[in-house]
Amino acid sequence: EAGVVQSPRYKIIEKKQPVAFWCNPISGHNTLYWYLQNLGQGPELLIRYENEEAVDDSQLPKDRFSAERLKGVDSTLKIQPAELGDSAVYLCASSKTLAGGLDTQYFGPGTRLTVL
Amino acid sequence: AQRVTQPEKLLSVFKGAPVELKCNYSYSGSPELFWYVQYSRQRLQLLLRHISRESIKGFTADLNKGETSFHLKKPFAQEEDSAMYYCALRGTSGSRLTFGEGTQLTVNP
Repeated sequence: EAGVVQSPRYKIIEKKQPVAFWCNPISGHNTLYWYLQNLGQGPELLIRYENEEAVDDSQLPKDRFSAERLKGVDSTLKIQPAELGDSAVYLCASSKTLAGGLDTQYFGPGTRLTVL
Repeated sequence: AQRVTQPEKLLSVFKGAPVELKCNYSYSGSPELFWYVQYSRQRLQLLLRHISRESIKGFTADLNKGETSFHLKKPFAQEEDSAMYYCALRGTSGSRLTFGEGTQLTVNP
């Protein structure tokens, strides 16, 4: 099994440009997460989806960040416009929702964004 | 609010020596604690979780609610244990994982 797939793996853009990241979760995983990981820090949750519904987006900077998971499978995270401080690794993870709680989160390889 | 603290950013030991990676947490309820590991050029992956009470790759971790700690231990470190280790907490109100800043473990030959 391929695991969580993310693309692109690396992206370099100039500030004020838009950028989008794509994530394909593990088959059968209804919960999808986007995390931001700054250099030297642990991952921080940006948004969590249960199927196509965003159930936790309190940490998503909504002035410039947006996300969608239209059919409850793949997801896209967008930044428009990008700022220098957005340079980081963007991680996608997925898990199953089980009775009594959530299963283990499986992480993708991440997209490393550099904003010049 | 939930918070995870890993006081050591870097930890270096020799092969065969015991190793302990510290993790302290702050949470008002009953949390679920995890250790995640990221080997060089690999993705972040779960190492162990406290509710499983299992040993993975020789590592164990005990949840100490009195000291609000979840330290990761291994009696005899191996070179292949060199990696970045993250402690994480999940509260009872949802699935949000809160990660610590991570500890880079280096096991020297």
